[in-house]
Amino acid sequence: AQKVTQAQTEISVVEKEDVTLDCVYETRDTTYYLFWYKQPPSGELVFLIRRNSFDEQNEISGRYSWNFQKSTSSFNFTITASQVVDSAVYFCALSEAGTGRRALTFGSGTRLQVQP
Amino acid sequence: DSGVTQTPKHLITATGQRVTLRCSPRSGDLSVYWYQQSLDQGLQFLIQYYNGEERAKGNILERFSAQQFPDLHSELNLSSLELGDSALYFCASSEGRGNTEAFFGQGTRLTVV
Repeated sequence: AQKVTQAQTEISVVEKEDVTLDCVYETRDTTYYLFWYKQPPSGELVFLIRRNSFDEQNEISGRYSWNFQKSTSSFNFTITASQVVDSAVYFCALSEAGTGRRALTFGSGTRLQVQP
Repeated sequence: DSGVTQTPKHLITATGQRVTLRCSPRSGDLSVYWYQQSLDQGLQFLIQYYNGEERAKGNILERFSAQQFPDLHSELNLSSLELGDSALYFCASSEGRGNTEAFFGQGTRLTVV
């Protein structure tokens, strides 16, 4: 069965520090998709990125970057030069494309606090 | 703004009651998903509809039901409510049957007293 593990429950950093949020997943499907969502204090879930299992290229979007490694079943998220506005709960999620479930399976989330 | 609209934003009701949560997906999206976020269980998938038909079921209780109407909006019905049903209920929509980006509404916070 599919599973997503975010071992870091809470991380606290000081503004301008870099921070990496870890995500490890389990699936039997060979075709799957990985996602990151941000949940700020206001509560909504904001889509950040989707990667498919055939594309292991790392991606950078501004201060955000993602490192996908199939060999270790990890999809880690790094925020460079963190800002107070980055304070939120971040969720990693998995969706299977084969006969598995296509709805999102979420990790338990990592709460990031960025102190000024 | 994700384009997904959920109403109401907040709901307080008593145990044993029934409530209906409503979701309007993004324009053009055919899939609607319902998720529950609680402190105990985290974010859990409940049910998915695609173009009016039930597509997949997750950890949805028998007391809960949903439907998607011809105009593609969806409703989640929660009945015989218990204290443990207090949670944030999210609706998400996506273009196809799955695996594309799912965009979430702002959620309905349900409090059962």
